[in-house]
Amino acid sequence: KAGVTQTPRYLIKTRGQQVTLSCSPISGHRSVSWYQQTPGQGLQFLFEYFSETQRNKGNFPGRFSGRQFSNSRSEMNVSTLELGDSALYLCASSLGAGTNTEAFFGQGTRLTVV
Amino acid sequence: GENVEQHPSTLSVQEGDSAVIKCTYSDSASNYFPWYKQELGKRPQLIIDIRSNVGEKKDQRIAVTLNKTAKHFSLHITETQPEDSAVYFCAASIGVDYKLSFGAGTTVTVRA
Repeated sequence: KAGVTQTPRYLIKTRGQQVTLSCSPISGHRSVSWYQQTPGQGLQFLFEYFSETQRNKGNFPGRFSGRQFSNSRSEMNVSTLELGDSALYLCASSLGAGTNTEAFFGQGTRLTVV
Repeated sequence: GENVEQHPSTLSVQEGDSAVIKCTYSDSASNYFPWYKQELGKRPQLIIDIRSNVGEKKDQRIAVTLNKTAKHFSLHITETQPEDSAVYFCAASIGVDYKLSFGAGTTVTVRA
């Protein structure tokens, strides 16, 4: 069974630009969560989607947004990029129904803002 | 919101010795506690998890204990091997929340 796939793996953007990251969950998983990983802040929760609805949101500014499609694939968008947005963005998929089950992470997208 | 603290931030052990990582959480409603291992340049992978209705869980050389009263949980790795060298993250979550609050991570180095 294919794992969680994130594209692209690497991105270099300029301050002020916007970026869209993609995440394809494991087949049958309906929940997709996004995390930002930085050396200083660790893994920080961005948001979680289930059946095309955002169920939970972390403490990030409105420049960070996401969506989920009917096939459970999810995208994350960051607008007006800042240098501090440079990070590894990880998505995780899980079944999403009932109580918490194992979250499987993708390889991540390494975003560098210059 | 939930706050998870993890200690120590770095841990160096001799091969064959045990390693213990401790985490505390703030929200008494948390009931799911996974541990993830992240090797350099790779994705975090679940190594063991425990739910609040269980006090201890073991899987070969890895065990996790949970003290709900004190709101802390620990990861124990016995007979450490070089391949155990990685960053370990604890996390906590509430029921059907599907939001993992992570500790800051522990870099474990196993010396041969």
